[in-house]
Amino acid sequence: DVKVTQSSRYLVKRTGEKVFLECVQDMDHENMFWYRQDPGLGLRLIYFSYDVKMKEKGDIPEGYSVSREKKERFSLILESASTNQTSMYLCASGYGGNTEAFFGQGTRLTVV
Amino acid sequence: QKEVEQDPGPLSVPEGAIVSLNCTYSNSAFQYFMWYRQYSRKGPELLMYTYSSGNKEDGRFTAQVDKSSKYISLFIRDSQPSDSATYLCAIINMEYGNKLVFGAGTILRVKS
Repeated sequence: DVKVTQSSRYLVKRTGEKVFLECVQDMDHENMFWYRQDPGLGLRLIYFSYDVKMKEKGDIPEGYSVSREKKERFSLILESASTNQTSMYLCASGYGGNTEAFFGQGTRLTVV
Repeated sequence: QKEVEQDPGPLSVPEGAIVSLNCTYSNSAFQYFMWYRQYSRKGPELLMYTYSSGNKEDGRFTAQVDKSSKYISLFIRDSQPSDSATYLCAIINMEYGNKLVFGAGTILRVKS
């Protein structure tokens, strides 16, 4: 079974903190994605990566950065957390090309 | 204009009903279409994948693509309470590095 593991299920952070969300996949996938999911807005793409050290901005990259130093790991960084970044964050991975993405369980982040 | 539009619902139906879930998309270059199912507090899981116009069937589920209208549908026959979930349509934007773009998701409730 494909496994995409996100480091935390629930996180509570303070405004202004630097936040790291980690994602690891065990299927040697080329592509990795970070989404946030909010009621009524669905999944919105923050960043994606199609290779080690490569990254592409998604639809809502402001306030976020990413790091992919190893193929299996894709990190999302909130440089200075704000309350409007309270959300469910979902990591996904997939093979290159026109293939499906496999999702982790999600991290529910609350910024207070 | 959003790349993929989907009515968020919620949609409530009695057990045994036929369910129709729909999405429209804006770019005629999109060729690959997916339906994901997401249970509460879980990550999305792939349900159906299709790349051509017409119907694709898998058990009680049928995915339909009409490229001329830029319209995709998911039909669920003999709906069950266990089908209660959020259903997300998704497309692969090959013009943009195989970016996976999601609709807002439709919440489905099947009442027993």
